[in-house]
Amino acid sequence: DTGVSQDPRHKITKRGQNVTFRCDPISEHNRLYWYRQTLGQGPEFLTYFQNEAQLEKSRLLSDRFSAERPKGSFSTLEIQRTEQGDSAMYLCASSSGSTETQYFGPGTRLLVL
Amino acid sequence: GENVEQHPSTLSVQEGDSAVIKCTYSDSASNYFPWYKQELGKRPQLIIDIRSNVGEKKDQRIAVTLNKTAKHFSLHITETQPEDSAVYFCAAIARSGGSYIPTFGRGTSLIVHP
Repeated sequence: DTGVSQDPRHKITKRGQNVTFRCDPISEHNRLYWYRQTLGQGPEFLTYFQNEAQLEKSRLLSDRFSAERPKGSFSTLEIQRTEQGDSAMYLCASSSGSTETQYFGPGTRLLVL
Repeated sequence: GENVEQHPSTLSVQEGDSAVIKCTYSDSASNYFPWYKQELGKRPQLIIDIRSNVGEKKDQRIAVTLNKTAKHFSLHITETQPEDSAVYFCAAIARSGGSYIPTFGRGTSLIVHP
């Protein structure tokens, strides 16, 4: 499968725990995006990488959230001290440098109890 | 920042009818407008897109129109089929310092009745 992949697909955690999600973009894509999607809403932008550099971060993003893309390939999104309001689908997307078109992964569905 | 409004939130049609979903945007710098289809529990899939130098684009039963002056764009699906049932999202993207950050609409749930 040469598409965007995400792991895990589902995560259930207790409030206050830390969680980490992984995204593997399409191999030749240098741009990587993280989004959050809740029921009945469109994807909400969280952060964006070009290669290993984090170039944009939503002002809505709590400081409990951090993302990395250390070698310009896969990326991780960590949420510290999870809250029930963090329950959502976390989507990753990637695009190449020559186009704005983004391709989405299957998402990680997070449930915070 | 950009604001994208999408209407209607729910659209119910009979198989074979046409469906139209409309979006408006606020940032005149937006120059790329993709449409995504998301089936229940699945990832958003790009179905068609349009750039600001084009007024209309068609791909089989799907077409998108763009009115830059009015800042609105629409998705048209003709001869709808039950498998077209899904949530459709529009987005507007403006390039900002090398970044392409999209703003999505809230989605339209399309239901096609056999």
